[in-house]
Amino acid sequence: ETGVTQTPRHLVMGMTNKKSLKCEQHLGHNAMYWYKQSAKKPLELMFVYSLEERVENNSVPSRFSPECPNSSHLFLHLHTLQPEDSALYLCASSQDARASDSPLHFGNGTRLTVT
Amino acid sequence: GENVEQHPSTLSVQEGDSAVIKCTYSDSASNYFPWYKQELGKRPQLIIDIRSNVGEKKDQRIAVTLNKTAKHFSLHITETQPEDSAVYFCAASIAGVTGGGNKLTFGTGTQLKVEL
Repeated sequence: ETGVTQTPRHLVMGMTNKKSLKCEQHLGHNAMYWYKQSAKKPLELMFVYSLEERVENNSVPSRFSPECPNSSHLFLHLHTLQPEDSALYLCASSQDARASDSPLHFGNGTRLTVT
Repeated sequence: GENVEQHPSTLSVQEGDSAVIKCTYSDSASNYFPWYKQELGKRPQLIIDIRSNVGEKKDQRIAVTLNKTAKHFSLHITETQPEDSAVYFCAASIAGVTGGGNKLTFGTGTQLKVEL
């Protein structure tokens, strides 16, 4: 049982499709994150939301668009993706947005395949 | 920015032996170093962390050591068991009150296999 739930678990989409990934946390945390995990590469931080305000955007292409409507929900909107965007997308949350050493709690991820 | 290098990329040990995974970091301002374990098909989970005000921390069979001068830190697992088989990630960040969340820089991971 994880306090961070991601849907869908698997997603296959064409390069012209538009889809969204959803993340929900039930831990009462106030910071949420999107990470990209590709084979043989480190986990890459994409976006950070602290108290529902985006505080980090690590040069992520505009075809990825995050949305954080409240402290419990996080979305990643996808459009016109490329095959190299195929990866595991992990959502995470941390308890205290003010503390940069607050442990991350990850979801199980969405395995995205772009055809 | 911070750069974290992790070695080895794969590690096989016999059950009961010890395993050591090493990481180096580039930013001398980094002072928080967590380790995450990711079992196959599962999410990464924090297993231990260390802050730069200590040189070593233990939790049962797991220990982490930190050498600030050399900018490297290591994970030590003793008496390995099959359930220790997983990918282990080291990470580094600058801890403090920032209001900007926890912006970790991760290593590339070590696939540990504990063989019977």
